[in-house]
Amino acid sequence: NAGVTQTPKFQVLKTGQSMTLQCAQDMNHNSMYWYRQDPGMGLRLIYYSASEGTTDKGEVPNGYNVSRLNKREFSLRLESAAPSQTSVYFCASSASTGISGYTFGSGTRLTVV
Amino acid sequence: GESVGLHLPTLSVQEGDNSIINCAYSNSASDYFIWYKQESGKGPQFIIDIRSNMDKRQGQRVTVLLNKTVKHLSLQIAATQPGDSAVYFCAETLGNTDKLIFGTGTRLQVFP
Repeated sequence: NAGVTQTPKFQVLKTGQSMTLQCAQDMNHNSMYWYRQDPGMGLRLIYYSASEGTTDKGEVPNGYNVSRLNKREFSLRLESAAPSQTSVYFCASSASTGISGYTFGSGTRLTVV
Repeated sequence: GESVGLHLPTLSVQEGDNSIINCAYSNSASDYFIWYKQESGKGPQFIIDIRSNMDKRQGQRVTVLLNKTVKHLSLQIAATQPGDSAVYFCAETLGNTDKLIFGTGTRLQVFP
């Protein structure tokens, strides 16, 4: 099925551990995004990539790094996880600038203990 | 700074009634608005969008109204069904950017 695929779906980390969240889309979209969603809150943009080879910071980039590996894949890395990074992470993609909605993945639920 | 917010955190409606979910935005430069539906354990799903040069747009059972004078956006759902139970987010984009700014969400509960 066409869409945005995120892995893993669930993850528990100890404080200080590192991990990479994977995201891939098969819709030939140019733009990709990483959001986090905390309980009772909306989605906040961490990083985005307007096109292959470019990445930019969003609202809450601290503690994260990203890689736009190719047009399909956009990964999010936590180098040293902190409890404040416990959240649900969503990857999304969009076809072109400012004229279409996003397609979201199903999310990764991350707990940092 | 710019923000998108919602008036009601929870809305309870009876099955078959119409639902109205409201959203206020603060950036008059926003030119594109979107409503998303998020069911438990899932990512947000696109419902309907509207450009700033319009004041109304209709979809299947849903209507979005935009009042730029008071910077207000609403989502109307006709004949609300149990499957409509979810959290609804409004979001806006600025100019020619792809970045979406999301509101905090309204939970819609549909009871028999």
